[in-house]
Amino acid sequence: GIQVEQSPPDLILQEGANSTLRCNFSDSVNNLQWFHQNPWGQLINLFYIPSGTKQNGRLSATTVATERYSLLYISSSQTTDSGVYFCAVERRGNSGGYQKVTFGTGTKLQVIP
Amino acid sequence: EAQVTQNPRYLITVTGKKLTVTCSQNMNHEYMSWYRQDPGLGLRQIYYSMNVEVTDKGDVPEGYKVSRKEKRNFPLILESPSPNQTSLYFCASSSRDTYNSPLHFGNGTRLTVT
Repeated sequence: GIQVEQSPPDLILQEGANSTLRCNFSDSVNNLQWFHQNPWGQLINLFYIPSGTKQNGRLSATTVATERYSLLYISSSQTTDSGVYFCAVERRGNSGGYQKVTFGTGTKLQVIP
Repeated sequence: EAQVTQNPRYLITVTGKKLTVTCSQNMNHEYMSWYRQDPGLGLRQIYYSMNVEVTDKGDVPEGYKVSRKEKRNFPLILESPSPNQTSLYFCASSSRDTYNSPLHFGNGTRLTVT
């Protein structure tokens, strides 16, 4: 099956710093999403980004599907950004016969005051 | 409010005692899926459903069953739970729009099997 690797696995930032999280995948995909799992365990969708660049406030994401990677940028980090960030890739059958989702193992981010 | 609702949030049971974790969504989504989350392994897909009466195995289906009799509900059934099924479980749903179908997750069910 498809392999999804995220780096770095752990990251500690001073509040106000910027960071880049990376997601590499081993095969072509139909879609890619970024999620934030907060310290209470809730999974929040950040970006639905099969290709191109999107921005939402201090967060932005870029997916280069032809090179099989995606980047999540966090600028001016805040303590509320702490948690685990996951990327997930989706593969669909040509005739819609399947729709499988594979997650990376995540980047654990801690933002300290 | 658009949401995916899982119940219960916490469950402690004993080996072999059948249990069901319920999942319901109010967004009229065609696609629903179950995941388990274990330390160091991320989330792994157990089963998914493309629509009513259409289900298929994900990456870790052994020991689990699902059914999709109604569009809004997608229960996860453990007929004979074992300790290696102790995990955090998530249900998710999405539309099947080709261009924009983000996954919406429930709040999770923490299962302990002793």
